[in-house]
Amino acid sequence: DVKVTQSSRYLVKRTGEKVFLECVQDMDHENMFWYRQDPGLGLRLIYFSYDVKMKEKGDIPEGYSVSREKKERFSLILESTSTNQTSMYLCASSPSDRGPYEQYFGPGTRLTVT
Amino acid sequence: GENVEQHPSTLSVQEGDSAVIKCTYSDSASNYFPWYKQELGKRPQLIIDIRSNVGEKKDQRIAVTLNKTAKHFSLHITETQPEDSAVYFCAASSMRSSASKIIFGSGTRLSIRP
Repeated sequence: DVKVTQSSRYLVKRTGEKVFLECVQDMDHENMFWYRQDPGLGLRLIYFSYDVKMKEKGDIPEGYSVSREKKERFSLILESTSTNQTSMYLCASSPSDRGPYEQYFGPGTRLTVT
Repeated sequence: GENVEQHPSTLSVQEGDSAVIKCTYSDSASNYFPWYKQELGKRPQLIIDIRSNVGEKKDQRIAVTLNKTAKHFSLHITETQPEDSAVYFCAASSMRSSASKIIFGSGTRLSIRP
């Protein structure tokens, strides 16, 4: 059974603070993704990674960066938070062998920036 | 750019009736069309998917149809039950770069009236 975990369920930060969101998957998946979910906008892709140390920008990368030093771990970094980054952040992973395939999601992190 | 449009944004049906959610996509190279269900407070989970080499797929009370010429696909839920209440996301994907990037629709909130 695939398990994707995220470091926090809820976070409250002040404007300008730095935030690390961590995601870990235990199925040896090559692909990992970070989305933000906002009402009426669905799931928007921030960044994704198809291998260790590899990353590609998604649709809304501005204000975010990522790190993938190990295959099982994909981190989303908000260098200086702003109120418009208040959102639900979802991590996902998927295998890449002759994909595309189902994405397995983590439980999400609800970030509030005040 | 690549885009997936989903309608309606909200849908309320009487228990036992059918529900239909429709999506259109813009990238003609898309070849994989998953549907995800997200119950309140939970992570999105795949409920059914279809690949471009078939026109219809059915799994018990849910079915998906695909019209590649018109670039649209639909989710059909028959004999709806209270546990079908959730947000449903359609998505489209193609194997472009090294990773299978998925574009999600904006979601449909389905409510089942008792």
